[in-house]
Amino acid sequence: ETGVTQTPRHLVMGMTNKKSLKCEQHLGHNAMYWYKQSAKKPLELMFVYSLEERVENNSVPSRFSPECPNSSHLFLHLHTLQPEDSALYLCASSQATGDVEKLFFGSGTQLSVL
Amino acid sequence: GQNIDQPTEMTATEGAIVQINCTYQTSGFNGLFWYQQHAGEAPTFLSYNVLDGLEEKGRFSSFLSRSKGYSYLLLKELQMKDSASYLCAVRDEDYQLIWGAGTKLIIKP
Repeated sequence: ETGVTQTPRHLVMGMTNKKSLKCEQHLGHNAMYWYKQSAKKPLELMFVYSLEERVENNSVPSRFSPECPNSSHLFLHLHTLQPEDSALYLCASSQATGDVEKLFFGSGTQLSVL
Repeated sequence: GQNIDQPTEMTATEGAIVQINCTYQTSGFNGLFWYQQHAGEAPTFLSYNVLDGLEEKGRFSSFLSRSKGYSYLLLKELQMKDSASYLCAVRDEDYQLIWGAGTKLIIKP
């Protein structure tokens, strides 16, 4: 148990569907992240929120839309996805301390786009 | 461009020692991390190196040479539960994390 919970664990959706991924952290951290993990590829940072403000958007397509209503919750809204978006989506949180800023990850949502 | 290289897959025997290498080319350096990820689970933090040398933590050790752009993770007395992917990540001059693709470690009895 890492203190970061993601739901759902698995999601299958068609290209015209709209769905949302949810992440909740119970660690009191002040930063939250969305990562995409594809097989045999490095983790790709998608979005970063610090103190509920979005501080980074790594040129992610607009079909992915993040939302951070408070410091404990993070959502990723999905619409009109493509088959190449099929991947494991990981949420993470951290506490900026100026030193070793460890990431605490959730177990991810395995997304399949048909 | 920035790049992290680590072997795709390694196999080792239970009870033995294995070394997983990571080489990096990044814009600046502000620390190197190792994470462990079991299949279907969350990556979890293993170690952090920012100065040259060896950091030991139980059966796991991590080494860093900044001049060579090189790190390794050493796992001793391997157990079946050590079968997992091991991710290397470097924090660059802008404090952005650059990730390797991970090394899948298979432990055989």
